[in-house]
Amino acid sequence: GEDVEQSLFLSVREGDSSVINCTYTDSSSTYLYWYKQEPGAGLQLLTYIFSNMDMKQDQRLTVLLNKKDKHLSLRIADTQTGDSAIYFCAETSFGNEKLTFGTGTRLTIIP
Amino acid sequence: SQTIHQWPATLVQPVGSPLSLECTVEGTSNPNLYWYRQAAGRGLQLLFYSVGIGQISSEVPQNLSASRPQDRQFILSSKKLLLSDSGFYLCAWSILTNTIYNEQFFGPGTRLTVL
Repeated sequence: GEDVEQSLFLSVREGDSSVINCTYTDSSSTYLYWYKQEPGAGLQLLTYIFSNMDMKQDQRLTVLLNKKDKHLSLRIADTQTGDSAIYFCAETSFGNEKLTFGTGTRLTIIP
Repeated sequence: SQTIHQWPATLVQPVGSPLSLECTVEGTSNPNLYWYRQAAGRGLQLLFYSVGIGQISSEVPQNLSASRPQDRQFILSSKKLLLSDSGFYLCAWSILTNTIYNEQFFGPGTRLTVL
C-alpha cells in the first residue's frame, strides 16, 4: 500500500528557516498537501501542490516537489513561535476518497 | 459556512466498557466522512470512511465500528474498549469536487483514555 514518511522532530531557532521533509511511495499521487496541527486541536490545511508542479510559494511558505524522487518539502521562512505545531504531509490521487498521511513532524521553535 | 462538531472533548473509560463518539457536520450536503485515530508517535491512522448514509468502509481490523445514520452524522463505537484504544480521535469531512481536491476539514477531536 501507499506509504508516507516524515522525521518525527525538528527544532529551529526563531527567525531561521524551517524545512520539513516528506517522502512517499505512490507514483500515481496527484495531489500533495501540508496540514498543520496545533496542540490539542484538529488539522488544518496549510498548502497543497499538484503533481505537475515543481514549486509553490505562498507568503512565508514554499513547497518543493521532486516527483522523480517522490520527495516533498515545506520551507517556512522567518520561523516564528506561532509556527510551533505538528506538520503532516498527505497524498492522494484523483478519484481516491482517502488521503494517506505521514507520521507528522513536530516543529519546536527555540527562542 | 460549514462547521464540524465532535463530542465529547475528553473521555476516560475503563477497559471493557462501551464507547460512542459522535461527529456532526453543518452547512454541507452528502459529504465524505472520516474517522482517524492519532496515537503518540504513530501519526494519523484512518479507521473508517463513509461516502453516503449507511455506507461504511473499514480500514483496519479492530474492535471498533462506525455508523452513519444520517447524512451529516458519523458515529464511532465499541462494545468493549481495550487499553490500546486510547488516543486522539478525529473526525473529518470533505467534498471531492471542492476547489482543492479532497481537502479535508477536521473536527476538534476527542481525547480518549482507557484505564
